[in-house]
Amino acid sequence: AQKITQTQPGMFVQEKEAVTLDCTYDTSDPSYGLFWYKQPSSGEMIFLIYQGSYDQQNATEGRYSLNFQKARKSANLVISASQLGDSAMYFCAMREGFNDMRFGAGTRLTVKP
Amino acid sequence: GAVVSQHPSWVICKSGTSVKIECRSLDFQATTMFWYRQFPKQSLMLMATSNEGSKATYEQGVEKDKFLINHASLTLSTLTVTSAHPEDSSFYICSASSRDYPLFFGPGTRLTVL
Repeated sequence: AQKITQTQPGMFVQEKEAVTLDCTYDTSDPSYGLFWYKQPSSGEMIFLIYQGSYDQQNATEGRYSLNFQKARKSANLVISASQLGDSAMYFCAMREGFNDMRFGAGTRLTVKP
Repeated sequence: GAVVSQHPSWVICKSGTSVKIECRSLDFQATTMFWYRQFPKQSLMLMATSNEGSKATYEQGVEKDKFLINHASLTLSTLTVTSAHPEDSSFYICSASSRDYPLFFGPGTRLTVL
């Protein structure tokens, strides 16, 4: 069963504006981690941000913030002040305990000048 | 963050040959390594989980005799694609983990089978 869902195959955003990439997940494990990765055309998986299931506050890392709504099982990524270099594939992922990491289908973000 | 390396970064081989891909954790001991495969325009799909000193656990649909995984030490895991065919052409990414670290990914290996 699909555990991570990204419903936006592609998104466009104007440079300097904010954009939200959606992610919902499904788990019965009380201990899990949610991650967002950026994958440019080089293929490298670049870690952006992490949210633990027991964290009380939403995670933030520079221009990235994670809108964690535990009851709704959503973990949306917000990128503020978009830059041209933000154009890439973005993957939401979940890790239950110390198990493997499962990925959503990804969202291709294009930043327009 | 921790560094995970993969070698080679890309490889082209003839159909029927075997290809070995190395994954190394450079600055921490990885008790577990994961191997993923990513076809063009798709997401990462887990192939197998390898724990140091024990047999790998393969995901459903992944042939263990075709994709040989060896995790002989806490810093090295290898994936060997045996008798490669064009349909095995893909981007292979490893990740390394221990109980003290989150998952860190290698830079990936792009395999092209002619």
